[in-house]
Amino acid sequence: NAGVTQTPKFQVLKTGQSMTLQCAQDMNHEYMSWYRQDPGMGLRLIHYSVGAGITDQGEVPNGYNVSRSTTEDFPLRLLSAAPSQTSVYFCASTLLRGDSEAFFGQGTRLTVV
Amino acid sequence: ILNVEQSPQSLHVQEGDSTNFTCSFPSSNFYALHWYRWETAKSPEALFVMTLNGDEKKKGRISATLNTKEGYSYLYIKGSQPEDSATYLCAFRNNNDMRFGAGTRLTVKP
Repeated sequence: NAGVTQTPKFQVLKTGQSMTLQCAQDMNHEYMSWYRQDPGMGLRLIHYSVGAGITDQGEVPNGYNVSRSTTEDFPLRLLSAAPSQTSVYFCASTLLRGDSEAFFGQGTRLTVV
Repeated sequence: ILNVEQSPQSLHVQEGDSTNFTCSFPSSNFYALHWYRWETAKSPEALFVMTLNGDEKKKGRISATLNTKEGYSYLYIKGSQPEDSATYLCAFRNNNDMRFGAGTRLTVKP
């Protein structure tokens, strides 16, 4: 029972480099989302998707790109990493039904130097 | 812009104390209110998902209430134990997305 699989667990980037954080779920969840966690700020929504082919911006989308070509996968791309993107990133998925809980990936600790 | 506010930001209690936290959220476009427990170095795990005004849910010593008309939810922990130490997050879900509060960090001292 894999749930939400998020990779990598740790990553160090140089300023200006690009990378993709992977997120996959095997629960047939329509809704997938990316959050970043910074001290004292909880989880802030970056981008989300309500189904394959549909994505939308959250609270802090700048500097990030997403796509949803399949129900299972929702990768997050950092186009040109900046030190301000140093954070812990979480992917989450849930059903579109309101009473469905969200399941989270294990998190990615990203440091941009 | 959706504002989900949690208070207090942190709380230190003695083992055996009962405690409660507050989550306030927009009262329009309500879909669901979630509570999550988040331990250090782990991922958040769901405690409760509430959808109806007046909902009360309970899991062991932890319970939660929901008031959608005034836009608040309370989480109660009865007889806190050291293993209850964690950050408690609430999340407001409308018909588009899910937004989290900043969390309440609970520390229970033995």
